[in-house]
Amino acid sequence: GDSVVQTEGQVLPSEGDSLIVNCSYETTQYPSLFWYVQYPGEGPQLHLKAMKANDKGRNKGFEAMYRKETTSFHLEKDSVQESDSAVYFCALSADTGFQKLVFGTGTRLLVSP
Amino acid sequence: NAGVTQTPKFQVLKTGQSMTLQCAQDMNHNSMYWYRQDPGMGLRLIYYSASEGTTDKGEVPNGYNVSRLNKREFSLRLESAAPSQTSVYFCASSGDFGSGNTIYFGEGSWLTVV
Repeated sequence: GDSVVQTEGQVLPSEGDSLIVNCSYETTQYPSLFWYVQYPGEGPQLHLKAMKANDKGRNKGFEAMYRKETTSFHLEKDSVQESDSAVYFCALSADTGFQKLVFGTGTRLLVSP
Repeated sequence: NAGVTQTPKFQVLKTGQSMTLQCAQDMNHNSMYWYRQDPGMGLRLIYYSASEGTTDKGEVPNGYNVSRLNKREFSLRLESAAPSQTSVYFCASSGDFGSGNTIYFGEGSWLTVV
């Protein structure tokens, strides 16, 4: 079945550091790819998305490139801020009729001041 | 600006008790979902409803039942709660494929089974 792998359970950068959070996926179909962000006590919310190969999702200084050749969708930011601290989930949706997300296990980003 | 509303927010159950989690959305979405979130496991799909009148099993349906009461409401029932069902439950909804694939989540229901 479809799967998403996030290799880092937690990332602990300092404010101003650059960031890469890894995401790899596996599916036999042509998926849409997403990053969801979850703040404490809240449900996940869409952070950015890419619908086809070579698309780049962008939001609040974060970027992720849909790379079909390496089946990856890594989340990147040049300079993180303390307010970026949250849990980030990579996800894919491979259904054609409606959206059914498969999530990775999540990466907790904790930015120190 | 309610979006997806879940009740209750917190619940403690004894093993073997039953309960229903309620969910309603006001975005006129066709599709609704129930996910559970456990530490180190991300979010896993329990059941979903592609449209009013239909429901289907997701990745982890055992021990749960669902009802799509109408277009707005999608409930999740635990008939005989077990400690393994201690989790945070999220209801979600989305429009049709052409709406951009965004899924909107509720704020979660924290369930503890003792």
